[in-house]
Amino acid sequence: DAGITQSPRHKVTETGTPVTLRCHQTENHRYMYWYRQDPGHGLRLIHYSYGVKDTDKGEVSDGYSVSRSKTEDFLLTLESATSSQTSVYFCATWDQRFPYEQYFGPGTRLTVT
Amino acid sequence: EDQVTQSPEALRLQEGESSSLNCSYTVSGLRGLFWYRQDPGKGPEFLFTLYSAGEEKEKERLKATLTKKESFLHITAPKPEDSATYLCAVQVTGNQFYFGTGTSLTVIP
Repeated sequence: DAGITQSPRHKVTETGTPVTLRCHQTENHRYMYWYRQDPGHGLRLIHYSYGVKDTDKGEVSDGYSVSRSKTEDFLLTLESATSSQTSVYFCATWDQRFPYEQYFGPGTRLTVT
Repeated sequence: EDQVTQSPEALRLQEGESSSLNCSYTVSGLRGLFWYRQDPGKGPEFLFTLYSAGEEKEKERLKATLTKKESFLHITAPKPEDSATYLCAVQVTGNQFYFGTGTSLTVIP
């Protein structure tokens, strides 16, 4: 299995509270991604990182921020959680060295009440 | 606008009945086409990457092909354990990925 872990795996939180999800990789991949997966929408990119301290927005970035202080770790923060952010969140990694595969973590199920 | 469309949304096959899944795309700056398998409650599992039209890759009962506007995932003589959702994604300039909504495959014994 690819070395990507996510924590927590499940979380229930209240509207308006801050939430941080963590992704940790042991692949030494340069690129890391945060996606959300919702029925009918598939996987949508929230933010991604192309190196330590280098990040950029994806297609659904509003209400989310990220940070990457080490190659191994990529954090996703919901500054003030809303019910529309209830979703399953996946972290993924990719590298431009062979074999060019993208690996996913096991996901975090977040419920905002 | 970059767009990825997968069809059909759902497919039911008898064990041994071969078929194909389609992934069509309209993107600028295509770098690669990726296929994944996703089981319920799990993260997507990488299957194939295709980089140029005419390229083909195989793995057990699966074969992926790529043209300039679409990709096919051919499943030959499927087994019940092939039941899953199959996702495709395009990798574009900047190394962002855009995903289709997937095809849910059920193989009946």
